[in-house]
Amino acid sequence: DTAVSQTPKYLVTQMGNDKSIKCEQNLGHDTMYWYKQDSKKFLKIMFSYNNKELIINETVPNRFSPKSPDKAHLNLHINSLELGDSAVYFCASSLPKTGINEQFFGPGTRLTVL
Amino acid sequence: AQKVTQAQTEISVVEKEDVTLDCVYETRDTTYYLFWYKQPPSGELVFLIRRNSFDEQNEISGRYSWNFQKSTSSFNFTITASQVVDSAVYFCALSGGVRTGANSKLTFGKGITLSVRP
Repeated sequence: DTAVSQTPKYLVTQMGNDKSIKCEQNLGHDTMYWYKQDSKKFLKIMFSYNNKELIINETVPNRFSPKSPDKAHLNLHINSLELGDSAVYFCASSLPKTGINEQFFGPGTRLTVL
Repeated sequence: AQKVTQAQTEISVVEKEDVTLDCVYETRDTTYYLFWYKQPPSGELVFLIRRNSFDEQNEISGRYSWNFQKSTSSFNFTITASQVVDSAVYFCALSGGVRTGANSKLTFGKGITLSVRP
């Protein structure tokens, strides 16, 4: 009965490859997010979707493409991986329209690009 | 633009000491939310508290307490009688007035690494 789940938990790949990370939430939330945590632990928003519509895109390279097939899922596809993409990627979800923007985070996906 | 400043980067205390983690924020929104999250060595992000801009009441939860002061734009977090299990990175975060999705993102501070020694 995990609230926000991500797969895979670890991802090790070579430069230049294309990879995807999947996120699913069973909380009934309508807004989902991707955050990136770099090697210095700094957390920064990348994207947000509300009811399958992109509402936040924070100057992320075009190699990153989020996709939301429905409001319970938000996937992240990364093309032509670079060394600098190595980080922990967190998915989160919330229900902002209730006025309570508590965000529930997934366990994170540690991406290592060699 | 929103900004969260956690000026302390690393704090080391001995078990049973009290410790306060500082958080200062900047926002132009009149309605906003403040949060604290804990990230233990295992890596997950654990929600600790949410406070909205209209509620300046301080909160206590066991050994944890929070002091929200709008006059100084601060939302500080105190751990009383610290324990080794409190060792983690603590993040303060801010979101704008919600109900408009674009404003719902969290802006995080850089985090404070707390080490509690036995």
